[in-house]
Amino acid sequence: DAKTTQPPSMDCAEGRAANLPCNHSTISGNEYVYWYRQIHSQGPQYIIHGLKNNETNEMASLIITEDRKSSTLILPHATLRDTAVYYCIVRGDTGANSKLTFGKGITLSVRP
Amino acid sequence: DAGITQSPRHKVTETGTPVTLRCHQTENHRYMYWYRQDPGHGLRLIHYSYGVKDTDKGEVSDGYSVSRSKTEDFLLTLESATSSQTSVYFCAISGPRLADTQYFGPGTRLTVL
Repeated sequence: DAKTTQPPSMDCAEGRAANLPCNHSTISGNEYVYWYRQIHSQGPQYIIHGLKNNETNEMASLIITEDRKSSTLILPHATLRDTAVYYCIVRGDTGANSKLTFGKGITLSVRP
Repeated sequence: DAGITQSPRHKVTETGTPVTLRCHQTENHRYMYWYRQDPGHGLRLIHYSYGVKDTDKGEVSDGYSVSRSKTEDFLLTLESATSSQTSVYFCAISGPRLADTQYFGPGTRLTVL
């Protein structure tokens, strides 16, 4: 059972920022927030992860609230190729707690 | 993308036949995983390996066996395929620690008739 809650879908216009929310109110102190995406029929693609500080890489930014109960993945300039299912996953750093559990994710549709 | 390949990419087989799927990595990562993905179930872990000849079961291991004789190769075998094993199978790698980020392969679509 996933430890995260995401809305089922959202859309945004091409070229605009896509802000994907995720709730993880039961997250523990040693658990990370991971984001993956899956473009139709392809393997899940790792995007970014963080513990408590905001993180940025070449793909996206991850904003984690101070209480760590929610986060937002930001794709700064969405393109049509960003249309995918995005998974927010809470994952520990040891043993069985480090298992990746994929929920239903959020389907992002980028419109022209 | 992480250096992971899966073969075959597509396979159609008949019930009762043995099937072996191969995952090959060029990253020298310690951990390798096999998942299956079905509508309504998300990705579920079948087996994983934490080193050569070291494997363990995941949540849906019944009907599957695995082997890892080399760091770079992780094989998934369906000894006698059933229609319920029709699925998309993904391999993933991580390492050197179990909790390191997992990177996924492109998948194998298996249809059991």
